[in-house]
Amino acid sequence: GENVEQHPSTLSVQEGDSAVIKCTYSDSASNYFPWYKQELGKGPQLIIDIRSNVGEKKDQRIAVTLNKTAKHFSLHITETQPEDSAVYFCAARSLGTSYDKVIFGPGTSLSVIP
Amino acid sequence: DAGVTQSPTHLIKTRGQHVTLRCSPISGHKSVSWYQQVLGQGPQFIFQYYEKEERGRGNFPDRFSARQFPNYSSELNVNALLLGDSALYLCASSYLAGVYNEQFFGPGTRLTVL
Repeated sequence: GENVEQHPSTLSVQEGDSAVIKCTYSDSASNYFPWYKQELGKGPQLIIDIRSNVGEKKDQRIAVTLNKTAKHFSLHITETQPEDSAVYFCAARSLGTSYDKVIFGPGTSLSVIP
Repeated sequence: DAGVTQSPTHLIKTRGQHVTLRCSPISGHKSVSWYQQVLGQGPQFIFQYYEKEERGRGNFPDRFSARQFPNYSSELNVNALLLGDSALYLCASSYLAGVYNEQFFGPGTRLTVL
């Protein structure tokens, strides 16, 4: 069935270092891959997304890469700051269906140590 | 502008009871999706409603039902509550359904079943 795996489950980095979170998906029909940041007491917030016709996308300190053949995608955060501390979720979705069923990974708890 | 709002914030019920959770989407958004987020896991898709019609349903039992009103607000109902229904219930709104458009999440309703 549809499944998204995510590693690591917890990640601790020093402020200024980079953080990398990796995900794999199982559904070959998936063609849209959003990443969400969830802070304590809040709902997930979209931080960046990528479509399957693109291999890489960057937005300031955040970048995502996609290997569609291997069904892998990754989030890279550079120059981490304490406010980057949160739980990050990767997700996969098939655009073109009649509804927006998003399959989420189990999450990565990122701690940035000042 | 107000984001997605959900009520109540917290709720405590006992097994066998019924619960109704409410969601108001961002003004102008016609689609509402519901997700269940068990502690330590990623959100799981329950329903999506668009223009007051159910567009999609996840793998949840018939005890879960929902509806969308003419003003696009939505209710999620859960009957015969089980301990395993304890979770954060998230509502997400978007302008359309089935195409590339961002889903905005509310802060969630924390349901505890005793």
